[in-house]
Amino acid sequence: DAKTTQPPSMDCAEGRAANLPCNHSTISGNEYVYWYRQIHSQGPQYIIHGLKNNETNEMASLIITEDRKSSTLILPHATLRDTAVYYCIVRVRTGGFKTIFGAGTRLFVKA
Amino acid sequence: GAVVSQHPSRVICKSGTSVKIECRSLDFQATTMFWYRQFPKQSLMLMATSNEGSKATYEQGVEKDKFLINHASLTLSTLTVTSAHPEDSSFYICSAVPRVLSYEQYFGPGTRLTVT
Repeated sequence: DAKTTQPPSMDCAEGRAANLPCNHSTISGNEYVYWYRQIHSQGPQYIIHGLKNNETNEMASLIITEDRKSSTLILPHATLRDTAVYYCIVRVRTGGFKTIFGAGTRLFVKA
Repeated sequence: GAVVSQHPSRVICKSGTSVKIECRSLDFQATTMFWYRQFPKQSLMLMATSNEGSKATYEQGVEKDKFLINHASLTLSTLTVTSAHPEDSSFYICSAVPRVLSYEQYFGPGTRLTVT
């Protein structure tokens, strides 16, 4: 079973920041938080991952709470092309892992 | 970046026939490949894990005789849907784990299967 809980859908105005929350209260000490997104009829696209520190790359920022029980993915300036389903996943970063997808959040970016 | 391809991107077949989907890691060797299935408006469901040179491990509820997985080389895994039925129509996605950096995972673009 998926170890994460996300809101089923969210709206965001184009140009504004999109903040997507994720709860992972049962996360283990050696599990990382990963975010992927899936645009309609495509394979999942990696966005970002982190263990306990906040992370930023060219696509997004990842904020992980100090207790690591929740996190937020931030798309700083959402565009229409960011409309997609966003999946928050927790998994280990060693060999033999499995990636189990939850229901994800369907983000609609509106003009 | 690491690239995973799938072939075909979409396929239509008649009920009762078998169809093979290929998953290739183009610029790296993959010791492990995963196969997922996704129905419309649903999330990805892990079907099986295939390791090069050994039998695939299927998730609970996935029929191993219906979904044949072969991982014959470090760059190719195939999923064969045998005796396909309309309810097998779905989006099939593979992902590959590099032999080096075995904690990473790269997804393919998916294959749309329609069984008529």
